[in-house]
Amino acid sequence: DAKTTQPPSMDCAEGRAANLPCNHSTISGNEYVYWYRQIHSQGPQYIIHGLKNNETNEMASLIITEDRKSSTLILPHATLRDTAVYYCIVRSGGNNRLAFGKGNQVVVIP
Amino acid sequence: EPEVTQTPSHQVTQMGQEVILRCVPISNHLYFYWYRQILGQKVEFLVSFYNNEISEKSEIFDDQFSVERPDGSNFTLKIRSTKLEDSAMYFCASGDAGLVDTQYFGPGTRLTVL
Repeated sequence: DAKTTQPPSMDCAEGRAANLPCNHSTISGNEYVYWYRQIHSQGPQYIIHGLKNNETNEMASLIITEDRKSSTLILPHATLRDTAVYYCIVRSGGNNRLAFGKGNQVVVIP
Repeated sequence: EPEVTQTPSHQVTQMGQEVILRCVPISNHLYFYWYRQILGQKVEFLVSFYNNEISEKSEIFDDQFSVERPDGSNFTLKIRSTKLEDSAMYFCASGDAGLVDTQYFGPGTRLTVL
């Protein structure tokens, strides 16, 4: 799997948009960008994924650059409950493992 | 909303004992996974399972580990002879069989080996 690079931590203001960056410069053409988060010691929670188009769901938006070498996860209105470790993972489709890195510890501040 | 469930939530065992961790995947999913997370460390892949056989396993998944789907609804992870270093959170995940298999995780079982 291609590797990703995320900042180790960041703070976000409650009620503001949180923009979480991820670099994946070695991503292959058939690899998707997945985002998960883990709140404390709970199971990882799926957020969103995309291949090359921008995606939006009820949780977040995913912006992928045209060259696909980086992406940004946007939490439109951060709440205290969004405090978590966020993982950006690239993975090809099908029955393949998710390779978790250390992620980005996001703290939402009141 | 359907979800993956796991039992027990916490298992305490003595070193050398066998443990079975249980998972009920989302009902229409066909891909199944086990991951673990040692306290303070990354989530690590153990094994994936499809069509009643292992499709991939990591170097962690040695002969002490086995998986089974005994009855079409449960998915189990067995550790034959537990070691202290097996203490971790164990997460089950399941995914559908579409082109893009999005994995959904259970809440985990905390295994403590004494």
